[in-house]
Amino acid sequence: DAGITQSPRYKITETGRQVTLMCHQTWSHSYMFWYRQDLGHGLRLIYYSAAADITDKGEVPDGYVVSRSKTENFPLTLESATRSQTSVYFCATKRMDMNTEAFFGQGTRLTVV
Amino acid sequence: DAKTTQPPSMDCAEGRAANLPCNHSTISGNEYVYWYRQIHSQGPQYIIHGLKNNETNEMASLIITEDRKSSTLILPHATLRDTAVYYCIVRVDGSGNTGKLIFGQGTTLQVKP
Repeated sequence: DAGITQSPRYKITETGRQVTLMCHQTWSHSYMFWYRQDLGHGLRLIYYSAAADITDKGEVPDGYVVSRSKTENFPLTLESATRSQTSVYFCATKRMDMNTEAFFGQGTRLTVV
Repeated sequence: DAKTTQPPSMDCAEGRAANLPCNHSTISGNEYVYWYRQIHSQGPQYIIHGLKNNETNEMASLIITEDRKSSTLILPHATLRDTAVYYCIVRVDGSGNTGKLIFGQGTTLQVKP
């Protein structure tokens, strides 16, 4: 039981290509989040979701698309990858209950060449 | 959510207590203080959180000042494995909240032998 799984762990893609990063959880947590982490910027929130079919923008949503048709999956799509989207991407989940912590995946290292 | 201020870096000797400060002078009455850490290349990990009382768990203690404008995370006996970036985050927890975490730059704690 892995809890939260991100795939792939490493990805190299070319500028202009579409790429999808997957996030899967086995807990049925209501909340799911996508962050990116770059040197000098720390962790920045891209998109989040409070439940299936409910998503909202975070701090840096431009260039990304998300969907959540099922509670357990929250894919992040770069519709036309750019070099500035080279980053480490982290997915996280959280229960709906108050005062509970978020759980993070191991990250996907994406390089856009 | 209120903004936090942390020192960019700190050192600590192995076996000694590590005291990591955080200022959150604009915190409001319903905002909690959360601490996460990120060990190199891994996803962030929850440590502890509190509202106004001091809290302790198996990982750390959290001391919140009476006016709630600052807090200190204490790792009682730091080990080399505690070397990480530590993030202090304030967040509203309650009905209607999004659960999202906004990360600052954090404090890089270096535990030295």
